[in-house]
Amino acid sequence: QLQLQESGPGLVKPSETLSLTCSVSGGPISGSRHYWGWIRQAPGKGLEWIGNMYYSGTRYYNPSLKSRVTISVDMSRNEVSLNLDSLTAADTAIYYCATTWPSVHAFDLWGQGTAVIVS
Amino acid sequence: EIVLTQSPDTLSLSPGERATLSCRASQSVSSSYLAWYQQKPGQAPRLLITGTSNRATGIPDRFSGGGSGTDFTLTISRVEPEDFALYYCQQYGSSQYSFGQGTKLDIK
Repeated sequence: QLQLQESGPGLVKPSETLSLTCSVSGGPISGSRHYWGWIRQAPGKGLEWIGNMYYSGTRYYNPSLKSRVTISVDMSRNEVSLNLDSLTAADTAIYYCATTWPSVHAFDLWGQGTAVIVS
Repeated sequence: EIVLTQSPDTLSLSPGERATLSCRASQSVSSSYLAWYQQKPGQAPRLLITGTSNRATGIPDRFSGGGSGTDFTLTISRVEPEDFALYYCQQYGSSQYSFGQGTKLDIK
């Protein structure tokens, strides 16, 4: 049974780059057919999909964030990473990593989320 | 980009009543790729329904989904106290995902 655990800096300054890590336990990323995704939720707001990555390297990003986002996988560390550039206060949110199977494209497994404040 | 609009924003019901939540898409969505989630305060979302009508593992059968094209529904046949929460629909198409803005189910 896979488990996901996000980690990050908590507080970042405007214009800086956010780097978050999702540690995967319970199985290797390299042997998985999951898509690895990031979703965020601003305070009091709904869910916003950021992007997905298949372990083979295929990436899909939300067009509204595409110019600032990079998702990558480190199979040696069994981690999925999110980098988000040029931060503003609008990027303040809880950031979740989650998995989806390509056959259903629904996020079946979520981490507990990590809060990020841009200030 | 497919925009999902959920209605109502808030649904106030008493335990035991039937809840019907709506999700309308700005263009047609494949029934295979319409999902529903439940979120409680301070928790990550929980997957309820995949492929419009398939309950995820461990989801009680009082939850059901239906619809096609641009109109989808989540029904809770008899609302239990633990069902009062936020509900989101989500679609996938053309390598993109999007969520509705959510419906809050609260106690009347």
